Order: sequence, then structure tokens, then C-alpha cells
Amino acid sequence: AQSVTQLDSQVPVFEEAPVELRCNYSSSVSVYLFWYVQYPNQGLQLLLKYLSGSTLVKGINGFEAEFNKSQTSFHLRKPSVHISDTAEYFCAVSASLTGGGNKLTFGTGTQLKVEL
Amino acid sequence: DGGITQSPKYLFRKEGQNVTLSCEQNLNHDAMYWYRQDPGQGLRLIYYSQIVNDFQKGDIAEGYSVSREKKESFPLTVTSAQKNPTAFYLCASLPRQGALYNEQFFGPGTRLTVL
Repeated sequence: AQSVTQLDSQVPVFEEAPVELRCNYSSSVSVYLFWYVQYPNQGLQLLLKYLSGSTLVKGINGFEAEFNKSQTSFHLRKPSVHISDTAEYFCAVSASLTGGGNKLTFGTGTQLKVEL
Repeated sequence: DGGITQSPKYLFRKEGQNVTLSCEQNLNHDAMYWYRQDPGQGLRLIYYSQIVNDFQKGDIAEGYSVSREKKESFPLTVTSAQKNPTAFYLCASLPRQGALYNEQFFGPGTRLTVL
């Protein structure tokens, strides 16, 4: 069974500072990993995904993530955050469902708060 | 514009009442999903459907019911059997069933509050 652990429930950071949001996963099969962002009272929007190939994945809004198979991690980074990056961020792993289709298993989320 | 719509955005329910949350998509996606979101718990899968007239229970299906009579629509009913229904409910769809590498597209959500 797949599982995702987001180690930090809240991360405060000053504007223009770098940030890293941590994600560890467990999976017994091939891994497909996703980062989503959620602004208050809205749905989730895809930031980036890792399918295969290069371990460094670039996404929208200047975010990137690095897949590390040996450490089973998929940490999200941004070199310089903006106040508009304040949101909740979810890491997720994709798995097959019995009978077809896929299921996303989500971490518990990390609230990023950017301060002036 | 293609996308997923959920209505209503806010919903208030008295204890003992059933309520139905709407989810409609015009993305021509085969699979649709319902998630429940509670603070500090991430998203949990309630039901999913990969094709019209077929649906499966997710991890927390008790107290919920769904139907899939049309490809575009996947309504969720929160029944009186659901003991703690106050939550944020998200609907999602997937471009291709069986495709692990496709991302799910999410609607804007419905916030349900039991009075």
C-alpha cells in the first residue's frame, strides 16, 4: 500500500527567502508523485509531477521538486517565495485501483505562510 | 472553458437531513472522484467512478451515496447516517482511466456545515 508523509504541518518564511516543503512516500511499485497547491476555500491545482526520467522536476510558479529514490523523498522547493505563495501544499502518490483507474493518496498537507 | 463545477459553494444542513452535492465536468473525462477534506487530515477518498453506471467505494464511503447516470455528472449524497459530515468536499476527474501518470483535475469544492 502507498502512503505519504509530509513532515511539517506549517512552514513560516519571509518573502524572498527560499523554502523547502518535505515529502516522504512509501510504495511497493513504480512511483508517480504529484504536488498540488490549494488556496483558501478553493480546489487543488497541480504544481508538478514526477513520472520518470530526470529526478529534478520543474513546475509552475517557480517551484521545483527533486525525486530521491534511495531516500524515498520528493521535496518541493522554491528559491525565493512571494506573498502570493501562501497556501496549503499537498504531496500525493498515484496507485492502481482494483478493476482499473488510479487513486491518489495524499499527505496531510503543509501550510506555507509567507510573511513580509 | 473546460472544467469542473461544484454547487453549491456553501451548504448548511440540519441533523437528520440528506443533502446532495453536485459535480459536473465538461472535460470529457471518464473517471470521477469524491474526496473529503478535514483540517490536518489531507484528502480522503469517498467514492469513485470509472464509467457511467458504475462506481466503487473509497476509503470512507459509510454514510455517503453516489450515482453516475451521465458521463458529465457525479452527484454525492450525504445521508443522515454520516455521523460527522461537516467538511470540505472536493470532486475530481481524470482524463484517462487506468493511467497512473495522469493528474486529477479538481473542482472548487463545497463546504458543508451541519447545524
